[in-house]
Amino acid sequence: AQKVTQAQTEISVVEKEDVTLDCVYETRDTTYYLFWYKQPPSGELVFLIRRNSFDEQNEISGRYSWNFQKSTSSFNFTITASQVVDSAVYFCALSDDSGYSTLTFGKGTMLLVSP
Amino acid sequence: DAGITQSPRHKVTETGTPVTLRCHQTENHRYMYWYRQDPGHGLRLIHYSYGVKDTDKGEVSDGYSVSRSKTEDFLLTLESATSSQTSVYFCAISERGSRTITDTQYFGPGTRLTVL
Repeated sequence: AQKVTQAQTEISVVEKEDVTLDCVYETRDTTYYLFWYKQPPSGELVFLIRRNSFDEQNEISGRYSWNFQKSTSSFNFTITASQVVDSAVYFCALSDDSGYSTLTFGKGTMLLVSP
Repeated sequence: DAGITQSPRHKVTETGTPVTLRCHQTENHRYMYWYRQDPGHGLRLIHYSYGVKDTDKGEVSDGYSVSRSKTEDFLLTLESATSSQTSVYFCAISERGSRTITDTQYFGPGTRLTVL
């Protein structure tokens, strides 16, 4: 069975601080996919990134960066120079290669960025 | 944004009553999903569909049924609602249906259901 662990339930930072959200996963599949979603206070789920298990290159998108390490089964998410608008719940999710694309989610990390 | 709508957006009902939630997409995607979100649990898969009349159970399917008679609509039914089914329900669609590729899921706005 697949499992995603987001050990940080809640993180509070002050604006402009850097923050890293941790995600550890468990799977027996050799091919799998990892995702991050953002859920702002308005409640919708916003897709941020998708990463395949065979692509371990780190990715940067503006203030966001992702560090994927198969050796430690981790897919961590860093926000540089955080802003109040980054306040949200962030979910890490794992999908297998069955073709049905079903997702196993972590419990989420609530990020609070104060001015 | 993916064309996904959910109705109703909010519903309050009483224990024992049937409830149907609707997910409608305008993207003609083959794969559709229902998840529930509860505090401390993240999102959990209830049912999913990989085509018209093709559905399967997810992790927390007990007490729920689904139907998909048209590509664009995926219905979730609580035959006899219980207080434990108070939750936020999200529908999602997947860009492509391939048995060799997992594609990104895009989510609808959610339905907040309260069972008294």
